[in-house]
Amino acid sequence: EIVLTQSPGTLSLSPGEGATLSCRASQSVRSYLAWYQQKPGQAPRLLIYDASNRATGIPARFSGSGSGTDFTLTISSLEPEDFALYYCQQRSSWPWTFGQGTKVEIK
Amino acid sequence: QVQLQESGPGLVKPSQTLSLTCTVSGGSISSGNYYWNWIRQPAGKGLEWIGRIYTSGSTNDNPSLKSRVTISVDMSKNQVSLKLSSVTAADTAVYYCARDQVSSMYYLDLWGRGTLVTVSS
Repeated sequence: EIVLTQSPGTLSLSPGEGATLSCRASQSVRSYLAWYQQKPGQAPRLLIYDASNRATGIPARFSGSGSGTDFTLTISSLEPEDFALYYCQQRSSWPWTFGQGTKVEIK
Repeated sequence: QVQLQESGPGLVKPSQTLSLTCTVSGGSISSGNYYWNWIRQPAGKGLEWIGRIYTSGSTNDNPSLKSRVTISVDMSKNQVSLKLSSVTAADTAVYYCARDQVSSMYYLDLWGRGTLVTVSS
């Protein structure tokens, strides 16, 4: 199965700062990668699909890039509600897999 | 709007079968090209995709769970079910149902709130 490795494990930032999260795949997933946001006690929410497309209702400060094995989620300017866990997920091959997550916390 | 709600026993004994139901409200489970997924998350850990089913009954599953998983759909009740046999403490997790569809490019665009299942004697 494809292993997704996210880095860093934790990102400590202040509101207004930019965030860059990385997801690396153990083999090419082409562009079949998504990013989800999860807040404590809540289900994940789809942010980005096919590496760079924002899901419905997702603010423009969220953007995704990459293809093959290296992907990035960028949050241009952190809002208070953006402090959360972020997961990447691939659907290039079965079984679908998730990364272990990056926590974006308030510095 | 469409909502998903997981339900089932919160406590299951080791070696028994975990049985969960996901009820779809606000829409028909069979309308549109929808796939219905189960995902789990042990406390403090990441997400693990368990499997999915199409309304035709075709499934995709995670080999790591070997043959312990059965996913089924009951269109008359607008429900999707998960059965996981021979459970151990390692199966303790929050279990989510989620939808994917062609318009979300087969990514998980709608999730239930999840239900905690603890495996313990």
